[in-house]
Amino acid sequence: ETGVTQTPRHLVMGMTNKKSLKCEQHLGHNAMYWYKQSAKKPLELMFVYSLEERVENNSVPSRFSPECPNSSHLFLHLHTLQPEDSALYLCASSQASGGVYNEQFFGPGTRLTVL
Amino acid sequence: AQSVAQPEDQVNVAEGNPLTVKCTYSVSGNPYLFWYVQYPNRGLQFLLKYITGDNLVKGSYGFEAEFNKSQTSFHLKKPSALVSDSALYFCAVRDIGSSGSARQLTFGSGTQLTVLP
Repeated sequence: ETGVTQTPRHLVMGMTNKKSLKCEQHLGHNAMYWYKQSAKKPLELMFVYSLEERVENNSVPSRFSPECPNSSHLFLHLHTLQPEDSALYLCASSQASGGVYNEQFFGPGTRLTVL
Repeated sequence: AQSVAQPEDQVNVAEGNPLTVKCTYSVSGNPYLFWYVQYPNRGLQFLLKYITGDNLVKGSYGFEAEFNKSQTSFHLKKPSALVSDSALYFCAVRDIGSSGSARQLTFGSGTQLTVLP
């Protein structure tokens, strides 16, 4: 778990705020992911960044904006969120080659509460 | 399309007894299958995976899983449960032959395992 770090661990924000979540992986991987985890629901893949491609879940609202400046860092910019966006946001990384994505390593998550 | 189902939201087992957490999957081709565990206030941790080869896969912390193609299942098992095994368990699948976004993992909704002392 220490291979993937996320900050902050907890975030409370109002609907008009702008904030960013940060993820850093120290595993030398070349693919990074954002997931949303809500109670009693399957993990929802939001975004994937790899050397080969960027993949987006088309159901993710535009108030979530990812940024991947390099293979070790991934950000999720948040703007004008809604209370239903409150959830645990998990970052993960893996090694991808030739279209094969190996097992993912997860960070501890950011617990987001939108008031 | 690929999907995975964990039919039990909650599994309770006494310490020392064998445990099984069920998972069934659906893919159009051949599957990659994974099990992850999540402890409270933590991210998911990789337990084991099936890619090809032996149907019985051994993983971390004494866990194992059996791939059954005819039943499209990949149940997680452990011969003797520990109280410390209490956690949320996720099954995940990816279709080997898929392309684009379908190459990503699809996770089940999770099964809460409680091992009673």
